[in-house]
Amino acid sequence: DAGVIQSPRHEVTEMGQEVTLRCKPISGHNSLFWYRQTMMRGLELLIYFNNNVPIDDSGMPEDRFSAKMPNASFSTLKIQPSEPRDSAVYFCASSRFAGGVGTGELFFGEGSRLTVL
Amino acid sequence: AQSVAQPEDQVNVAEGNPLTVKCTYSVSGNPYLFWYVQYPNRGLQFLLKYITGDNLVKGSYGFEAEFNKSQTSFHLKKPSALVSDSALYFCAVRGPLSSNTGKLIFGQGTTLQVKP
Repeated sequence: DAGVIQSPRHEVTEMGQEVTLRCKPISGHNSLFWYRQTMMRGLELLIYFNNNVPIDDSGMPEDRFSAKMPNASFSTLKIQPSEPRDSAVYFCASSRFAGGVGTGELFFGEGSRLTVL
Repeated sequence: AQSVAQPEDQVNVAEGNPLTVKCTYSVSGNPYLFWYVQYPNRGLQFLLKYITGDNLVKGSYGFEAEFNKSQTSFHLKKPSALVSDSALYFCAVRGPLSSNTGKLIFGQGTTLQVKP
C-alpha cells in the first residue's frame, strides 16, 4: 500500500495568493482528516470527513479556509487568500471507520509545508 | 469534553536506560488511547493503541504503554532507549464508539532526546 499521499510537499507563496493542498487517502479508508502543525499551537484538527461528507469543520480557522472531498480517493484543502500566519505543516490522515466499527488509528501523510511570505 | 495532557515538553535519557513519556487523559466513558511518533520532517507514525483488555500494550520498536484507569494515564515506556528513538511523541484519545466518528484528540507532544 502506498500510504496517504500528499502534494505538494513544500509550497512557498506570497501573501494573498491561493493555495491548494491535495491528499489521496489509503484505498478502503472512509475517514479523512486535515491537521495543521505549528510550533506555537501544536497539532490542530481542522476538518474531517466520513464517507466523503464533512462531519466537523469547527477547527477551520476562518472563511479563508475550505476543504472538499469530491470522492473517496481525493481531498483538497484550499486557502484563499493566504496570509503569513497560515505558514505551517498541513497533514492529511485517513482511517477505516464506519458507524462505530474499527479501532480508528490514523495513518498520516508526510505533510505539506506551507510558507506564506 | 475529551482532552489529553502530556506534562513534559522534553524528556532526556541516556542510551540503554529505561524511558517513560507521560500522558493523562480525560474522556467520558471508556477511552481508546494511542501513541504516535514523529521524526523530523515526517508525518506521524502509529506506535500502539489501547482499546480494551490487558492494561499493558505492546507496540512497534519495542515500545509499550500501560493503561491505568484509576489514574487516567497511559504512559509510554521502553526498557532500553536507543539514540534512534529520539523524536517527538504524541498521545491521543478517542471517546466511546457511541459518541464520536473516529476523531482523535492529540496532546501537545513530548520531545524525547536519547543521548549516547
